[in-house]
Amino acid sequence: ETGVTQSPTHLIKTRGQQVTLRCSSQSGHNTVSWYQQALGQGPQFIFQYYREEENGRGNFPPRFSGLQFPNYSSELNVNALELDDSALYLCASSLDYYNEQFFGPGTRLTVL
Amino acid sequence: QQQVKQSPQSLIVQKGGISIINCAYENTAFDYFPWYQQFPGKGPALLIAIRPDVSEKKEGRFTISFNKSAKQFSLHIMDSQPGDSATYFCAASRNTGKLIFGQGTTLQVKP
Repeated sequence: ETGVTQSPTHLIKTRGQQVTLRCSSQSGHNTVSWYQQALGQGPQFIFQYYREEENGRGNFPPRFSGLQFPNYSSELNVNALELDDSALYLCASSLDYYNEQFFGPGTRLTVL
Repeated sequence: QQQVKQSPQSLIVQKGGISIINCAYENTAFDYFPWYQQFPGKGPALLIAIRPDVSEKKEGRFTISFNKSAKQFSLHIMDSQPGDSATYFCAASRNTGKLIFGQGTTLQVKP
């Protein structure tokens, strides 16, 4: 059984650019949650997708947006990148929205 | 009310000792309390989780103690090993949805 995978592993962007991060959920899981983890901090919830619909959002501005596809993989898009967006972006999948969340390895985003 | 406060920030334990990490929450609607272990450059891995209907849960060397009235829960790692050296995060949520994480505890187990 394949776990949660994320791509790319690392990414370097400049301020003002846009970025798309991708996540493949664990087999059989229909829920994907995205988190931002700044260096030395705990992960912070961005939003959750359940069966292709947004199912909750954290305290992040609208320039953070997402999608979930029919195969339950997901994308996180960030527009107008700011220096403070530099972080590890984590994707977690769960069997259903009320089940345990299993995290992928993350994408390290650096904004210069 | 959404915060989860974790302590200590860092911890050094001798091999074979007991590591104890504490967390406190405010929101009484929380009903799911997991602990995650994270190694450098990796995503968090679910270690053990508890719901408020029990006061203790044990899985191998890892035990969660839960005090509902005090709104506190803790992770105990028995017989700590150098391979346990990692950052540990407590979290809380309602219905296992949006996880609210603590700030993390960096554990170093000395051989």
